[in-house]
Amino acid sequence: GAVVSQHPSRVICKSGTSVKIECRSLDFQATTMFWYRQFPKQSLMLMATSNEGSKATYEQGVEKDKFLINHASLTLSTLTVTSAHPEDSSFYICSARQGSGNQPQHFGDGTRLSIL
Amino acid sequence: QKEVEQNSGPLSVPEGAIASLNCTYSDRGSQSFFWYRQYSGKSPELIMFIYSNGDKEDGRFTAQLNKASQYVSLLIRDSQPSDSATYLCAVGVNEKLTFGTGTRLTIIP
Repeated sequence: GAVVSQHPSRVICKSGTSVKIECRSLDFQATTMFWYRQFPKQSLMLMATSNEGSKATYEQGVEKDKFLINHASLTLSTLTVTSAHPEDSSFYICSARQGSGNQPQHFGDGTRLSIL
Repeated sequence: QKEVEQNSGPLSVPEGAIASLNCTYSDRGSQSFFWYRQYSGKSPELIMFIYSNGDKEDGRFTAQLNKASQYVSLLIRDSQPSDSATYLCAVGVNEKLTFGTGTRLTIIP
C-alpha cells in the first residue's frame, strides 16, 4: 500500500521551456501533498505544501509564480516549472500523506530535470 | 545550528554486524520521527517511524527515540549489502518534515 506515482522520471529540455510534473497517490487519498527539491549530495528541501482544493503554501525563497502547483483532487498534484533555466536543474520529488500531520509521507520516484 | 543533524559518514559496517545511525534535532516541539532510506539516484523510501519515547522494532530495524535528549537512532541488525544506502532522518513539526543531510552507510561483504 501507499504507492505514489510521479511522472515523468526524467526531462531534458531547452532553457525557457515550461515543464509539468505529475504526482499521483495510487491506492490512498492524499489530504496533503508536498514538493521537494534535492541538489546533488544535499538533503531534501521542501518547496511547497499542497492541500486539495486550496492554494499551495510555499516555503521562504521559493517563487510561487515560477513553481506553479495545482492540487485538483485527493489523488493528483502537479508542479509546473515555468520558463525553466539551467539553475532549475535538480531532482524534484513529490510526497503524499494520508490523514494528519504525524502520518508518514510516501514519496514518488522523483523527476530528474535537466535544463540545457 | 542545523535543525536536524546527522553524521554524514561514510559509515562502513561488516556484513552481518549491527549498523547504528544517529540523529539529533533542535526543536523540542517535534512530534514525529522518521527514517528513510535513499539509494543513489532514487527517491526516499520509508523504513521506520516513531512517535513515543523508547524502542520500536520492525524486522531487522529498531528505531529509538529519546525526546529529553532530542535524539533518535536507527539500528540495523544482521546488515546486508543491500542495506548500503544513504539514511535520512526526518523530524515532523507543524505538519512538515525537516530532513537531515543523511548518513551514507556501506555494508562490507
